[in-house]
Amino acid sequence: KQEVTQIPAALSVPEGENLVLNCSFTDSAIYNLQWFRQDPGKGLTSLLLIQSSQREQTSGRLNASLDKSSGRSTLYIAASQPGDSATYLCAVRSMDSNYQLIWGAGTKLIIKP
Amino acid sequence: GAVVSQHPSRVICKSGTSVKIECRSLDFQATTMFWYRQFPKKSLMLMATSNEGSKATYEQGVEKDKFLINHASLTLSTLTVTSAHPEDSSFYICSARDLRVPETQYFGPGTRLLVL
Repeated sequence: KQEVTQIPAALSVPEGENLVLNCSFTDSAIYNLQWFRQDPGKGLTSLLLIQSSQREQTSGRLNASLDKSSGRSTLYIAASQPGDSATYLCAVRSMDSNYQLIWGAGTKLIIKP
Repeated sequence: GAVVSQHPSRVICKSGTSVKIECRSLDFQATTMFWYRQFPKKSLMLMATSNEGSKATYEQGVEKDKFLINHASLTLSTLTVTSAHPEDSSFYICSARDLRVPETQYFGPGTRLLVL
């Protein structure tokens, strides 16, 4: 059964720093992996979607990588800003789950001005 | 881009009453919609998957008589929490799968339910 883990659970860094959020999954048989952002009391915003055949995706200051064989993905945020403060969720669409998303518990990120 | 709306965004109700939450896909057709529940500082928990015109498929441990799901059209699914209790207080999020792009889900903004 697919399991998704995100480390760390919380992270606080000064503004301007580059940072990396980690996501690991136990079963490499996935269709894709997706990173989301969730602001407090709000819904989800999709940030990046990486297909199983891809190694990385970039959008602005965000770069997500995927190493399917090792069951790992990272979300790299460059030049962090206070507006990046949010909870970041990783989810995989696993082949054993009938196309459903399997979620990590998230990393709560705080960027200090 | 594809937009999913939820209504209401917040609801407070008394214990024992029923609450209906609507999920709409605004600019696309969704044969499949998903209902999630999120506890504080926890990940999303899939409650059920609903397919237009058929009965919803509930995840293990989710009471189908308590959480009634109706997916009457390609753009609307409703979740009714029946005889709500304080432990039903949570953040409920729906998502919809675009008929044309089945590997993608679009998420609603969520509904905060507080049962007194």
